[in-house]
Amino acid sequence: SAVISQKPSRDICQRGTSLTIQCQVDSQVTMMFWYRQQPGQSLTLIATANQGSEATYESGFVIDKFPISRPNLTFSTLTVSNMSPEDSSIYLCSVVLRTVQETQYFGPGTRLLVL
Amino acid sequence: DAKTTQPTSMDCAEGRAANLPCNHSTISGNEYVYWYRQIHSQGPQYIIHGLKNNETNEMASLIITEDRKSSTLILPHATLRDTAVYYCIVRVKFIGNEKLTFGTGTRLTIIP
Repeated sequence: SAVISQKPSRDICQRGTSLTIQCQVDSQVTMMFWYRQQPGQSLTLIATANQGSEATYESGFVIDKFPISRPNLTFSTLTVSNMSPEDSSIYLCSVVLRTVQETQYFGPGTRLLVL
Repeated sequence: DAKTTQPTSMDCAEGRAANLPCNHSTISGNEYVYWYRQIHSQGPQYIIHGLKNNETNEMASLIITEDRKSSTLILPHATLRDTAVYYCIVRVKFIGNEKLTFGTGTRLTIIP
């Protein structure tokens, strides 16, 4: 597998502000994804982070609310914009490694609380 | 991707084998069965996957029925650290289709 790190690990934010979450991998990856897990719920895919181009968003998620960057193969950011309490969730990045292309590996997650 | 059905929760005594069932009666011939687990709000951890043959690794065994409509994840000697939510996911495996659709999973509690 690989070491996947996320920053910050947790944060408490005020409504109306924005937070950028970073995901860094120590191996070459082919694909990176961002998921959301609301309290007591399962994981929901937000988008696929595409290197050098716009992310591909799932139904119900839009770029204005969740802008994503992926400037290189091993790094991506997810911004949660204009936050409201409903955005309180765990945000997780996941990757498919170039060497193990049949399996997706997850980062530790970023726990976000919006007041 | 095919839908899966799992029990909401299960208990297992520490040291015993934990057998977690999953029904995927609409699975297609080219869909794989994947298992992940999530320990108390950590990121999901990959456990094992298979197509039609039984699979075993250092974490678990995966038994897939001959008709592929159901499978069982076996943790041979459960420990307290195995308490987690276990997700069974089926998907077509090819490059460019790595999206995972998570259901509600089975909450496994290991009893001392």
